[in-house]
Amino acid sequence: AQSVTQLDSHVSVSEGTPVLLRCNYSSSYSPSLFWYVQHPNKGLQLLLKYTSAATLVKGINGFEAEFKKSETSFHLTKPSAHMSDAAEYFCVVILTSGGSYIPTFGRGTSLIVHP
Amino acid sequence: DGGITQSPKYLFRKEGQNVTLSCEQNLNHDAMYWYRQDPGQGLRLIYYSQIVNDFQKGDIAEGYSVSREKKESFPLTVTSAQKNPTAFYLCASSMQVGIYNEQFFGPGTRLTVL
Repeated sequence: AQSVTQLDSHVSVSEGTPVLLRCNYSSSYSPSLFWYVQHPNKGLQLLLKYTSAATLVKGINGFEAEFKKSETSFHLTKPSAHMSDAAEYFCVVILTSGGSYIPTFGRGTSLIVHP
Repeated sequence: DGGITQSPKYLFRKEGQNVTLSCEQNLNHDAMYWYRQDPGQGLRLIYYSQIVNDFQKGDIAEGYSVSREKKESFPLTVTSAQKNPTAFYLCASSMQVGIYNEQFFGPGTRLTVL
């Protein structure tokens, strides 16, 4: 079975400070992992994905994430938050073998950015 | 521009009515998906389709139905059997159902039961 846990339902930061959104997965197999962003009343947009190549993945808008197999984590970071980063963020896992290949979504983390 | 369109953006339904949500894509993707989003619950899979004329139930298929007669289209019907249909519905597509395939999402339809 696969599951993904986003450890914080809300994260609040000040503009210009670093962002850390945490994601842990449980999987018996090597996963593919994704981060998506959703602005209010909009669809989701892909930020970045890990597919067993480099463990440090760079995405759009200055975001990056590091795959750590020993910690079963895929945390999303950004060095300096911008007001436009305020949104809902979803971590998603797909099994790479033995599974159904259907994405499993975390419950989301709401990022709040204060001026 | 390639992408996914959903219509309508807002939909109101009276109790006991069936309603159909439209989803169209021009990305030439084989796989399409329907999700329901409720506050604090992330996205839950309703149905997905890997190819024309084939679809599978997701985690919360009860009270919903779909069809996939064309590659570009994957409409979702919310039936009167769905007891709590008020939610935000998202359609997505991917090249295939597979390990590396990211999903592309439409803008969503917000359904409200009156």
